[in-house]
Amino acid sequence: NAGVTQTPKFQVLKTGQSMTLQCAQDMNHNSMYWYRQDPGMGLRLIYYSASEGTTDKGEVPNGYNVSRLNKREFSLRLESAAPSQTSVYFCASTSWQGNQPQHFGDGTRLSIL
Amino acid sequence: QKEVEQNSGPLSVPEGAIASLNCTYSDRVSQSFFWYRQYSGKSPELIMSIYSNGDKEDGRFTAQLNKASQYVSLLIRDSQPSDSATYLCAVYNAGNMLTFGGGTRLMVKP
Repeated sequence: NAGVTQTPKFQVLKTGQSMTLQCAQDMNHNSMYWYRQDPGMGLRLIYYSASEGTTDKGEVPNGYNVSRLNKREFSLRLESAAPSQTSVYFCASTSWQGNQPQHFGDGTRLSIL
Repeated sequence: QKEVEQNSGPLSVPEGAIASLNCTYSDRVSQSFFWYRQYSGKSPELIMSIYSNGDKEDGRFTAQLNKASQYVSLLIRDSQPSDSATYLCAVYNAGNMLTFGGGTRLMVKP
């Protein structure tokens, strides 16, 4: 049972390049999330999907887009990467938002030069 | 005022001692509370969930919840060097969003 799987684990981009971070969960969870974690800033919610077919903005959505491809998969896209988007990105999922804990993937370490 | 507050630490305790980690939250209607452990360079790992006032014990870990005081704590008994990590408190708010505190860095010295 893999839980929450994120790909890639590491990536270096040049300013202006685009890329998509992939996330898949095999726990039959309804809700999925994308966070970024920066030193001294804690975990900040970028976007979330409370259930298949819905997506909503979190605290820091600017510069990002998301797609809930199906119940298992939730991707995060950077259309034109900027150095300020250098961070560690975590995907998480939970069975039901509002009550159950979230389970995290291993993270993607992204550097924008 | 932040929704979930934790002392950033570091909290330094000797091996074998009790480590006490504290968290306060601002939303009175919060009902679900979690403690995560995060080792450096790793992802947050759930270690405790608590939903009712009082204590909940799991091995060396005890979570304590006081909804009237809007306070949740984590006690780690017989602290080990392997417990050295950042501990994140997380609380669901009225909007059903999980809000994280900034974390407390714990250092257990041999």
